[in-house]
Amino acid sequence: AQSVSQHNHHVILSEAASLELGCNYSYGGTVNLFWYVQYPGQHLQLLLKYFSGDPLVKGIKGFEAEFIKSKFSFNLRKPSVQWSDTAEYFCAVPRWGKLIFGQGTELSVKP
Amino acid sequence: GAVVSQHPSRVICKSGTSVKIECRSLDFQATTMFWYRQFPKKSLMLMATSNEGSKATYEQGVEKDKFLINHASLTLSTLTVTSAHPEDSSFYICSASYRDGTYEQYFGPGTRLTVT
Repeated sequence: AQSVSQHNHHVILSEAASLELGCNYSYGGTVNLFWYVQYPGQHLQLLLKYFSGDPLVKGIKGFEAEFIKSKFSFNLRKPSVQWSDTAEYFCAVPRWGKLIFGQGTELSVKP
Repeated sequence: GAVVSQHPSRVICKSGTSVKIECRSLDFQATTMFWYRQFPKKSLMLMATSNEGSKATYEQGVEKDKFLINHASLTLSTLTVTSAHPEDSSFYICSASYRDGTYEQYFGPGTRLTVT
C-alpha cells in the first residue's frame, strides 16, 4: 500500500550528538515532502518542505533534509541536537488533497 | 502569519452529551480545514476534510453522524462530537490550508476531550 514510513519510533540522544531521522515514502510521480515537529504541549509546526529544485532543504532551528528520489527517502538531519529539540517529528506527503503522515518519531535529548 | 486557533483547549463532558470544538484561521482565509485525532504516542489520524460551504468528506471508518463538521465560513470550522462516550476521549487537532499550491497545512493547538 502507498504510505509514508518512519522507521525510528523513539530516538534518545545526548546533547551535541548528530541526528538523522528516516522517512520513506512509496508514492510515484511528483512528490512534495514535509517535516513537521510537535514540541511537548504545543501544536504541530512546519520544520521544512521540499517541492522542487535543490534536494537539500534547510529548515528552521538548524534542521535540514535531503530528498533522494532513487531511495524514496527524505531523511531529517541536524548536526548537533539540543535539549530543546525534544519533540515528536512527523514526515508527511500531500496526496489527494490531504497530508499522509508517517507514524512519527519521538526524539528525547538528554542534557 | 497563518495562525490557527482552537477552542476550547480542554473539555470534560459526561457520557451522552455533545461537545462542540471550534477551529479558526485568524489571519488568513482557509479554503480547506482538516480534523485529526491524535492518540498518545501515535500519529495523527485524519477524520475529515471540509471545504467552505460544502459537506465534509469523512475518512473511512469515521462516523459522520457522530462527528458533525460544519465549515460555515472561510475562517471557522466546527467539530461536534455527538452523544460522546469514554472511547471518544482523545486529542482533536484541526488544521487549515489555503489554495496556494503548496499543500501546507497550519495546525491548531488541539483540544483535549475527556468523556466521563
